[in-house]
Amino acid sequence: QQQVKQSPQSLIVQKGGISIINCAYENTAFDYFPWYQQFPGKGPALLIAIRPDVSEKKEGRFTISFNKSAKQFSLHIMDSQPGDSATYFCAASMHATNKLIFGTGTLLAVQP
Amino acid sequence: GAVVSQHPSRVICKSGTSVKIECRSLDFQATTMFWYRQFPKQSLMLMATSNEGSKATYEQGVEKDKFLINHASLTLSTLTVTSAHPEDSSFYICSASAGGTEAFFGQGTRLTVV
Repeated sequence: QQQVKQSPQSLIVQKGGISIINCAYENTAFDYFPWYQQFPGKGPALLIAIRPDVSEKKEGRFTISFNKSAKQFSLHIMDSQPGDSATYFCAASMHATNKLIFGTGTLLAVQP
Repeated sequence: GAVVSQHPSRVICKSGTSVKIECRSLDFQATTMFWYRQFPKQSLMLMATSNEGSKATYEQGVEKDKFLINHASLTLSTLTVTSAHPEDSSFYICSASAGGTEAFFGQGTRLTVV
């Protein structure tokens, strides 16, 4: 019940295209859903996060869509660029513990 | 944004020795710090949670006598890998929180035990 399932494992997108990564969770106590970007040899960096009281959040080229009833959320990267090539992790936490449970990660490659 | 500094970024040590990794919050007070371990091409696995002035809470399966965590101040937490062995080689990452849900990550430490 503590798992966060992420797909796809890897993704290849052409420059200018839309990258879509999906995550699903079981624990309805989760109330914070961030997405992280990680480059090789570096720590994760927070991209964007959402709480379950909204269905969508947009920051620049990054959008989170959240479906509370389906217990799913996704990251959309618009106008994908080669510099976006990295590993992306979704995560979930609950206010009671603030412990982040990470998805398995998606390796994104944006081809020029 | 908030900055978390982790040191060293890379360390190589001999089998049987101990290694200390530092995690500092540079511009905020971190009431809670988290330590993660990441194997190549895998996700981050939470090892333990530490609150300033309290004993760390370890996740199931993590040996607390091998991975000693100290959170002595609101800006510093340390992870000591004791009697390190090659299987402890990994990427260790800390994160820090000021009490809210948002956590800020350090740049990670690549530990190689030879």
